[in-house]
Amino acid sequence: NAGVTQTPKFQVLKTGQSMTLQCAQDMNHEYMSWYRQDPGMGLRLIHYSVGAGITDQGEVPNGYNVSRSTTEDFPLRLLSAAPSQTSVYFCASSYSGLWAQYFGPGTRLLVL
Amino acid sequence: KNEVEQSPQNLTAQEGEFITINCSYSVGISALHWLQQHPGGGIVSLFMLSSGKKKHGRLIATINIQEKHSSLHITASHPRDSAVYICAVRSGGGGSNYKLTFGKGTLLTVNP
Repeated sequence: NAGVTQTPKFQVLKTGQSMTLQCAQDMNHEYMSWYRQDPGMGLRLIHYSVGAGITDQGEVPNGYNVSRSTTEDFPLRLLSAAPSQTSVYFCASSYSGLWAQYFGPGTRLLVL
Repeated sequence: KNEVEQSPQNLTAQEGEFITINCSYSVGISALHWLQQHPGGGIVSLFMLSSGKKKHGRLIATINIQEKHSSLHITASHPRDSAVYICAVRSGGGGSNYKLTFGKGTLLTVNP
């Protein structure tokens, strides 16, 4: 199993550009989440999904969209990138809300 | 919103020492996670517990629900244990309230 994969590993954007961060898992996990990690702050939940077709907002959802059309994939879309979205983004999945999470390797995003 | 506090923020130890990292939270929880983030950035789940104590190798995690406190212990520490250790809590019950709140992490450095 590849586990949780994320692409790209690193991306530079200009303010106003849009892009999609990809996340995929091959463990048939129902729960998937997107987090951002900023210096001096803990991981913060952006959006999460409890199954295909079901998504909900986390702590910091503004400026981001998600969709979950399949169990395997959970892409995160930045609609109009801003410097405040410079961060490291982690995708995670788990079998259920009561199980341990598996994290992807992260995507480092720089918005100029 | 649950507030999660970790102490200490930074910890330096000599190889072989017994390590304790603490986590306190403000609101009742359904589960608490301990995660390890390696210097390269990858995040690994170490423990998930809702009561009592769990042990895996040289790592031991305990939780006191009444006192809203958890500890992560590392026995016979080794330089390869150097990492950031992160505490996260899940406040809700049931599958629809899957949101984790994270502490800011404890940076552990173990010198040879």
